[in-house]
Amino acid sequence: SQQGEEDPQALSIQEGENATMNCSYKTSINNLQWYRQNSGRGLVHLILIRSNEREKHSGRLRVTLDTSKKSSSLLITASRAADTASYFCATDGIGAGNMLTFGGGTRLMVKP
Amino acid sequence: DAGVTQSPTHLIKTRGQQVTLRCSPKSGHDTVSWYQQALGQGPQFIFQYYEEEERQRGNFPDRFSGHQFPNYSSELNVNALLLGDSALYLCASSLVSARADTQYFGPGTRLTVL
Repeated sequence: SQQGEEDPQALSIQEGENATMNCSYKTSINNLQWYRQNSGRGLVHLILIRSNEREKHSGRLRVTLDTSKKSSSLLITASRAADTASYFCATDGIGAGNMLTFGGGTRLMVKP
Repeated sequence: DAGVTQSPTHLIKTRGQQVTLRCSPKSGHDTVSWYQQALGQGPQFIFQYYEEEERQRGNFPDRFSGHQFPNYSSELNVNALLLGDSALYLCASSLVSARADTQYFGPGTRLTVL
């Protein structure tokens, strides 16, 4: 079973709009990571946020973490057609020894 | 700086056969993890190798086994293949001493069991 659940499962937006994806998880974590996957290929690491951090930025990406609600969000600003992909959150649980637990992913489509 | 590499890219097997998948970690990394990703789902953790030993294991049967070599590369073996083993198999590497523990993934091996 998967710990995380992404919401929404699918998202379709126009180029230039912002995309927000949410992730909820069940157990206490060391960190939470977001990955992108294009067309069933390998996962590309986007950003890692530690349990003692609340917000992190990387280029057009903004990630927030609320450990009291066991949730995280990924915001992609000014989206581009090249951002079309599946996005996954993955948690590194306390005591899990760097074993990542993934959610089911959000499939983002950015229309030109 | 070479990233994580996996071979082969694609593989077709029949039920009951055995398969071996290979992974070379990112330069400087010492830990290799394997994940199975069924179509339309998120990856699921199979096991992790460090210092040539299985360090962690997910909820997978003993038909799934692995190995890590002194050069940190790794193999995933699956015996008695079932149709349900059809999936994308992903290898990820990391550095156990790194505080952030970011895992870097390879392109995957697509296994089809007929």
